[in-house]
Amino acid sequence: ETGVTQTPRHLVMGMTNKKSLKCEQHLGHNAMYWYKQSAKKPLELMFVYSLEERVENNSVPSRFSPECPNSSHLFLHLHTLQPEDSALYLCASSQDIRGGAADTQYFGPGTRLTVL
Amino acid sequence: EDQVTQSPEALRLQEGESSSLNCSYTVSGLRGLFWYRQDPGKGPEFLFTLYSAGEEKEKERLKATLTKKESFLHITAPKPEDSATYLCAVQAYYGQNFVFGPGTRLSVLP
Repeated sequence: ETGVTQTPRHLVMGMTNKKSLKCEQHLGHNAMYWYKQSAKKPLELMFVYSLEERVENNSVPSRFSPECPNSSHLFLHLHTLQPEDSALYLCASSQDIRGGAADTQYFGPGTRLTVL
Repeated sequence: EDQVTQSPEALRLQEGESSSLNCSYTVSGLRGLFWYRQDPGKGPEFLFTLYSAGEEKEKERLKATLTKKESFLHITAPKPEDSATYLCAVQAYYGQNFVFGPGTRLSVLP
């Protein structure tokens, strides 16, 4: 599946490191999302971008900083993370349909993040 | 508040043993209900979108149905390769965001 790609696939970092996750979508979509998936918990929405503007920030700690330079690329900048931030980070994209029709999201393979 | 629950939490089936997974939801106006399949360590793979009560969709051994309060994912004669976690999500009419359920972990034994 190459519609939504994420790099790196695995990342191990210390609490004082700074790293970035990258997501790219090849589907011509206008909306992109970051989710966090922890063990035994439902997917948690972190950020939503529509046409490169942030439209939602679900009270995410400031140690996570998103960036959306264009409608095809999305980054998640990480700094001074905590061990409880270890999780699978998923990127998704959608057409951003308005007016009532359902807007299917398509996911990338995820980045498995481990914070030591 | 929009909510999604799924049952059972885990299900073990023998190959060929048909069963159903349940997704119950509470939402103020349904825009769409979505089913995804997720393999360990991978991203969710889209299966179906259902829009209104009474709608049904099929793909190979999977069939999804929708009522006003719940959706079922029926698995007919499953094979070991159907083993995965199945996620359900809803999108409310007034919003863009998805609310996901916790998933059902399905194991199909040969």
